[in-house]
Amino acid sequence: SQKIEQNSEALNIQEGKTATLTCNYTNYSPAYLQWYRQDPGRGPVFLLLIRENEKEKRKERLKVTFDTTLKQSLFHITASQPADSATYLCALSRSDNNNDMRFGAGTRLTVKP
Amino acid sequence: DARVTQTPRHKVTEMGQEVTMRCQPILGHNTVFWYRQTMMQGLELLAYFRNRAPLDDSGMPKDRFSAEMPDATLATLKIQPSEPRDSAVYFCASGLALTGGATEAFFGQGTRLTVV
Repeated sequence: SQKIEQNSEALNIQEGKTATLTCNYTNYSPAYLQWYRQDPGRGPVFLLLIRENEKEKRKERLKVTFDTTLKQSLFHITASQPADSATYLCALSRSDNNNDMRFGAGTRLTVKP
Repeated sequence: DARVTQTPRHKVTEMGQEVTMRCQPILGHNTVFWYRQTMMQGLELLAYFRNRAPLDDSGMPKDRFSAEMPDATLATLKIQPSEPRDSAVYFCASGLALTGGATEAFFGQGTRLTVV
């Protein structure tokens, strides 16, 4: 069966360090992959999208990589800040014409001052 | 400021009652998703629509759940009869899927459903 796994439930890091979150998938051939941020009591908010033919995408302090051979995406937040503390979710979609976006369980990131 | 609007924000109901959740997608978006979120299961995809037509509702318990888009400005998710295990936060999201493109999804604030 299809599985989307985010490597850890929680990640604690010190302010200023780089946070690296992992999303692995099995029995899946996603056309694109997205990362979302969710704060308590709120809906997820879109951060970045990367297509299967792209290796890397950047936006300000955020970087996403997508390795279809390893079936893995890495999400990096550089120079992390306490305001980055949230749950981060990866979402996969199978094809451009059938974007059935499905989410991993999420990783709760805490950035300590 | 375009946003996805969900009503009600909170709903407490007794087991066996019908529950209807509503969603107003962002004007111009052609894709609507319904998700359910619980601590145990995370975000589960229940159903999604493209241009108001259902593309996949395999994530929904068919015997009690139904999802519709009566028009482009309204999506509904109905549970009849409701059960305590349906207690969760239900999210609606909308996006614009272009041919050969991808959909960034905009989520509503969710409806927190409690079935007692």
